[in-house]
Parts: sequence; structure tokens; C-alpha cells
Amino acid sequence: SQQGEEDPQALSIQEGENATMNCSYKTSINNLQWYRQNSGRGLVHLILIRSNEREKHSGRLRVTLDTSKKSSSLLITASRAADTASYFCATDATGNQFYFGTGTSLTVIP
Amino acid sequence: EAGVAQSPRYKIIEKRQSVAFWCNPISGHATLYWYQQILGQGPKLLIQFQNNGVVDDSQLPKDRFSAERLKGVDSTLKIQPAKLEDSAVYLCASSFPLAGNEQFFGPGTRLTVL
Repeated sequence: SQQGEEDPQALSIQEGENATMNCSYKTSINNLQWYRQNSGRGLVHLILIRSNEREKHSGRLRVTLDTSKKSSSLLITASRAADTASYFCATDATGNQFYFGTGTSLTVIP
Repeated sequence: EAGVAQSPRYKIIEKRQSVAFWCNPISGHATLYWYQQILGQGPKLLIQFQNNGVVDDSQLPKDRFSAERLKGVDSTLKIQPAKLEDSAVYLCASSFPLAGNEQFFGPGTRLTVL
């Protein structure tokens, strides 16, 4: 399976702290995307990083990609209670065919 | 811009019954996806359409699941007959046809099979 694996499965931090979650995948990819899912809701796209990029920023989000290690990380800085959600990486290996990881459940404690 | 619409939001059926879900993607999005998300897991791609053609249905249990997108716009996903293990949230997403573009998700349909 091309599905990614997120690590850790669950993460609990205090508001204001940084949160880091990792994604590993198995095959070569065109790009990797991160999505957020609030409880009982659909997924929301956060950021896309292409295979020829190593780092990308969007607001309080920083994503890195290491294609040699087939891994990516998502850093959320200065976390807020509203960041409480599940975070998924999705890999695009063959052109617009996405495989989602298992997710990291993040809890930000006010 | 209107988002991806799905209906119904919730459905409870008994095993061996049939059920159908409907999805209307964002206008102009040629690519449409159906995902199954079991509680505590990531979404699993069931089928991907490009306009009204199937791009990938390798993970669709074809003995009981079917999907169509006849006019290249809205789509229906059907389960017949349903099993207990089909209890999940069924998510529909759409995107522009260019590789790498983000997917826009609907709110999902939560199916409970008793």
C-alpha cells in the first residue's frame, strides 16, 4: 500500500507550544499534502509541497519534505485551542491519485 | 463559491439493505473522489472519476459497491447489500484536473449498519 503513516498517533500540548507531526511513505511521489479534520467534519487542505521542494511555509505552518528518507513533517507554531484536530498527510504518487495516512490526533490544551 | 455538497448527512440501515449517497462537486471540478473513512483511520480512496470516466477503482469492493458519474458532474455511490463493516463516513471530494491540486471535501455521510 502507498498509504502514509503519521507519527505520533496522538499528541497533547499546551496552548502556545509548537506541535510537530511526521509522515512517512513508501513510494516515489509527485507531491505531498497535509489536511486537517475537525471532529465530525470533512477534511480541509492546509498545504502542498512538491517533490522538488524541501520546505514550505504558510502562516503558522511549516512543512518539510525529505524524499531520500520518504518523510515529511508538519510544524504548527504557537498552537491555539482551535488547532485541535486530526492531521493527515496525503501522497500523490501517480498524478492526482491520493493516499492518506493514518493521522495524528492533536489536542491543544487552553 | 459553493462547496462540495453531499446527502444524506446520516443514514442508518440494517445489514443486507441497500443505500445510496449523492455528491455534487464544486462547479468546474472535473475530478471527483469517493473515500471511505472508518472511525479512527484515514480516508481510503474508493473510486476516482475524471469527468465521467473512472481513473482508479482498485480499492472499490465491486461485489457490493458501485458508483457512477453519468454526466460528469454529480455522482452517486451505492452499497448493495450492506455489511456491518461498511459502517463509516463516506466522503466526497473534488479537484481541478491538474495533478497536485488540492482536494475540496464535502461534509460526508455517516453510515451506520446495524
